[in-house]
Amino acid sequence: GAVVSQHPSRVICKSGTSVKIECRSLDFQATTMFWYRQFPKKSLMLMATSNEGSKATYEQGVEKDKFLINHASLTLSTLTVTSAHPEDSSFYICSVVWGTQYFGPGTRLLVL
Amino acid sequence: AQSVTQLDSQVPVFEEAPVELRCNYSSSVSVYLFWYVQYPNQGLQLLLKYLSGSTLVESINGFEAEFNKSQTSFHLRKPSVHISDTAEYFCAVSVTRNTDKLIFGTGTRLQVFP
Repeated sequence: GAVVSQHPSRVICKSGTSVKIECRSLDFQATTMFWYRQFPKKSLMLMATSNEGSKATYEQGVEKDKFLINHASLTLSTLTVTSAHPEDSSFYICSVVWGTQYFGPGTRLLVL
Repeated sequence: AQSVTQLDSQVPVFEEAPVELRCNYSSSVSVYLFWYVQYPNQGLQLLLKYLSGSTLVESINGFEAEFNKSQTSFHLRKPSVHISDTAEYFCAVSVTRNTDKLIFGTGTRLQVFP
């Protein structure tokens, strides 16, 4: 069965609005979760490391004020894309580490 | 820094034919190597991994990959593919055994035709 879930699976929003994506660890408590972004025909790009109870660690070039990450519990991390623009349209994937990385099914964001 | 190159963006093949998906990596330190598969509308799933020991690793569904340190490669092979193998395959490296900070290749879409 699924180890990691994401909600929603796809979302369409207007430019300038904010969108929240949830990542849940279903089978175990995860102190660390990762957020990736996948562009068409491109590889997954690590955006940030979500740490339970502390601030997320962002990769170089990723705007932390644009992509807000909250890891409020051991089973839930959220990614909020603030003031979304069309260039933020992408496939966002989270993962949890339990010996190895388990990936969620992804959330497709389309900003109009 | 590490990088992963998957030269083939798409590999079309007929059912029951053999296939090889190429993966080369670059790193100044020792790395651990992984292949992930992404079926349509699903999340990435670990297919196989090389951590240490035998350089030939196998998956439960007939895929195998061989770590070649001198050629910095970790090509994925299957002697006879099925329609159900149609998916996107990603090669990845990590400098830690528990796969923190995976560096992915750009993926290879394997399309199996009847």
